[in-house]
Amino acid sequence: DTAVSQTPKYLVTQMGNDKSIKCEQNLGHDTMYWYKQDSKKFLKIMFSYNNKELIINETVPNRFSPKSPDKAHLNLHINSLELGDSAVYFCASSQDSRGRAFFGQGTRLTVV
Amino acid sequence: GQQLNQSPQSMFIQEGEDVSMNCTSSSIFNTWLWYKQDPGEGPVLLIALYKAGELTSNGRLTAQFGITRKDSFLNISASIPSDVGIYFCAAISGGGADGLTFGKGTHLIIQP
Repeated sequence: DTAVSQTPKYLVTQMGNDKSIKCEQNLGHDTMYWYKQDSKKFLKIMFSYNNKELIINETVPNRFSPKSPDKAHLNLHINSLELGDSAVYFCASSQDSRGRAFFGQGTRLTVV
Repeated sequence: GQQLNQSPQSMFIQEGEDVSMNCTSSSIFNTWLWYKQDPGEGPVLLIALYKAGELTSNGRLTAQFGITRKDSFLNISASIPSDVGIYFCAAISGGGADGLTFGKGTHLIIQP
């Protein structure tokens, strides 16, 4: 079984649309994250959820909203998509306070 | 914000050679991590370091947590073709819920 799984793996959509990316982890971890990887492969954290509470929210546009229905799931909703939102989005989870994070396979979002 | 300066940006080496890469920062971190990313996949954790001066090995990989807590290096001995990929350093200054700060990656290319 995949530890951290994301769907879809690829997402192509038009500007202005609203889309969601789903993430599930079966590791029993308490903390889940969303990271964004840009075209230069730079990884930057977007959100962190711990026990269903938002812990940090970096300087991310409020068009992005994480939603966690339970400890094993953290979905990412994006409203009014823009060209600049094109990137690979990674979900991750961790258990220990030292932050060893385990990543999903990523969702490549292309906005046209 | 906190930044990790990772070098080199890319490496072209012959199979069998040893590889060395490092990350430095002006900030102090409590945890250093090294990840590898293959094309189309998420980052995979290679080594985690928790104490200043700690030296840890994982097969042909060796990493160290700098004494000043502001740097770390990763060495790969006797490289093989499957070592090709992007290697990222990552670090945490607070708890795991803070998320990881990533370096910009080292692209490793191995010529047979």
